[in-house]
Amino acid sequence: NAGVTQTPKFQVLKTGQSMTLQCAQDMNHNSMYWYRQDPGMGLRLIYYSASEGTTDKGEVPNGYNVSRLNKREFSLRLESAAPSQTSVYFCASSVRGSYSNQPQHFGDGTRLSIL
Amino acid sequence: DAKTTQPNSMESNEEEPVHLPCNHSTISGTDYIHWYRQLPSQGPEYVIHGLTSNVNNRMASLAIAEDRKSSTLILHRATLRDAAVYYCILRGNAGGTSYGKLTFGQGTILTVHP
Repeated sequence: NAGVTQTPKFQVLKTGQSMTLQCAQDMNHNSMYWYRQDPGMGLRLIYYSASEGTTDKGEVPNGYNVSRLNKREFSLRLESAAPSQTSVYFCASSVRGSYSNQPQHFGDGTRLSIL
Repeated sequence: DAKTTQPNSMESNEEEPVHLPCNHSTISGTDYIHWYRQLPSQGPEYVIHGLTSNVNNRMASLAIAEDRKSSTLILHRATLRDAAVYYCILRGNAGGTSYGKLTFGQGTILTVHP
């Protein structure tokens, strides 16, 4: 029952470093999402992938890039990390994003600190 | 997606029922009512969803008002593990930049006392 798996769970970076957050789901879902959660705020959508081969910007895409590697995997890359990107990052998936009666399944998050 | 209003916090005793309210007076006819919860240091977890009729699953029940302007998540016997932030979210037809996006508000912090 893996569901949505995110790696790493924790990471500390220095300003200007780059890194890639990995996400994989084993539920054969078509749609995948990256959110960030900051203290006192709800989750905000960074990027999403409606289906394999497509990606689109969400609410807060600046400073990030994504790759939908295949149906299972959706990665989030920080090219030049900034302290403002310190956050908890969640990956999620759903059968198909356009189906409003379908739930999203979330990973346990990556806690990222940028010094 | 239409807006929802929830109390900031609620408290319950272990093994007692908990009724978590949500107001959504601007709900449209095609909006589904979803509930998620987030335990400390974990990702959000889907709880239940419904459109018009009351719904039950192994985790909870969802009672939807006849006019659909409000709903109540019912935990039949609260346990310590149910202490979490509970989010009521409306999901309508997706499209454009909000494709499938969930809009999380502040939610209700549920405290369960032993």
